[in-house]
Amino acid sequence: ELKVEQNPLFLSMQEGKNYTIYCNYSTTSDRLYWYRQDPGKSLESLFVLLSNGAVKQEGRLMASLDTKARLSTLHITAAVHDLSATYFCAVVLTGGTSYGKLTFGQGTILTVHP
Amino acid sequence: DTAVSQTPKYLVTQMGNDKSIKCEQNLGHDTMYWYKQDSKKFLKIMFSYNNKELIINETVPNRFSPKSPDKAHLNLHINSLELGDSAVYFCASSHSGRGEQYFGPGTRLTVT
Repeated sequence: ELKVEQNPLFLSMQEGKNYTIYCNYSTTSDRLYWYRQDPGKSLESLFVLLSNGAVKQEGRLMASLDTKARLSTLHITAAVHDLSATYFCAVVLTGGTSYGKLTFGQGTILTVHP
Repeated sequence: DTAVSQTPKYLVTQMGNDKSIKCEQNLGHDTMYWYKQDSKKFLKIMFSYNNKELIINETVPNRFSPKSPDKAHLNLHINSLELGDSAVYFCASSHSGRGEQYFGPGTRLTVT
């Protein structure tokens, strides 16, 4: 069974600092997603990573994927308060009976302080 | 235009009641999903449908019954509600099982 683990689960950062959230998964997959969720809101797609070595950047967030290590990272550069949210990685197995099934990590609650 | 919509947004009901949540997507996708987010924010898939056919049925009590009248709609009916059913239920849709999934706004179900 696919397992997806994120760390840290809680992250308190000062504005202006850099940090990385890690996402490990247990089974070969060909796609990984990062989502953001604000309190009481839905999930917003941030990145879709489709191949080994994929790197995507949007503003202060950069995501990468290492399929051999089964590891994805979400790097935050010069954090600002607006980045405070819960971040989820999710992995999909695309074959057989797992058709489209997203398996989520536990989520990382990020709080950015002045 | 809302891509994936759910009704109702909030649902408060008593134990033992039966309730339904509706989901509609206007993205032209052929695959729809139901996910449950518990009080610890953990998200888990419940069901998925492709072209109105049930594809994924996770270990969910049979009190939960999804129904897909057409490709744009996936409803969730819950019988004999229990306290443990309290959660946020998200609908999502994608183009086939390989496409990116777009999530609805969620339905917060509270069972008292």
